[in-house]
Amino acid sequence: DSGVTQTPKHLITATGQRVTLRCSPRSGDLSVYWYQQSLDQGLQFLIQYYNGEERAKGNILERFSAQQFPDLHSELNLSSLELGDSALYFCASSVVTGEANVLTFGAGSRLTVL
Amino acid sequence: SQQGEEDPQALSIQEGENATMNCSYKTSINNLQWYRQNSGRGLVHLILIRSNEREKHSGRLRVTLDTSKKSSSLLITASRAADTASYFCARARGGADGLTFGKGTHLIIQP
Repeated sequence: DSGVTQTPKHLITATGQRVTLRCSPRSGDLSVYWYQQSLDQGLQFLIQYYNGEERAKGNILERFSAQQFPDLHSELNLSSLELGDSALYFCASSVVTGEANVLTFGAGSRLTVL
Repeated sequence: SQQGEEDPQALSIQEGENATMNCSYKTSINNLQWYRQNSGRGLVHLILIRSNEREKHSGRLRVTLDTSKKSSSLLITASRAADTASYFCARARGGADGLTFGKGTHLIIQP
């Protein structure tokens, strides 16, 4: 157990639907990162939050949004789902040391869009 | 394109042999990290090498970094079946910024 908790583990839904993925970071970690992993695109950085504020944005689609709450858990919202959104979505957290930013990953949420 | 490209994409060796994976990157780094991913699971941090370091060891792992060539290598000695996994290098620019991963090397250790 890495200490980063992601729910749900598996999710099957239909095109056009909306889903929410949830992440609880490791205790003491202030930064949360979201990554999407698919076979053809590899591991793509989506977005990062630090202590409730958006810190960096990667290849995140406009249909996707995220937030980090005061208790530091984060949610990734995916809407108007398409077949191509089927992927593993990982959350990772880190203690920001300012120099060496080692990420601790959760086990992932596998999304299947039918 | 992805920063942190691993080579080869796939590698199959016999148990007990050494496995070497390479990583190239394009821009300056603060540090470079290697992660392992067992099939369908989360990534696990293996080792970090800073930009002012040339070599680092951790158990059966040896990482080298050549900043002039913008490349790194990961050597796993005396491989075991349990080393079968995908290995990713990740570039860190420093500070609170996230890591940029390559597509990984899929390593298969044949018993």
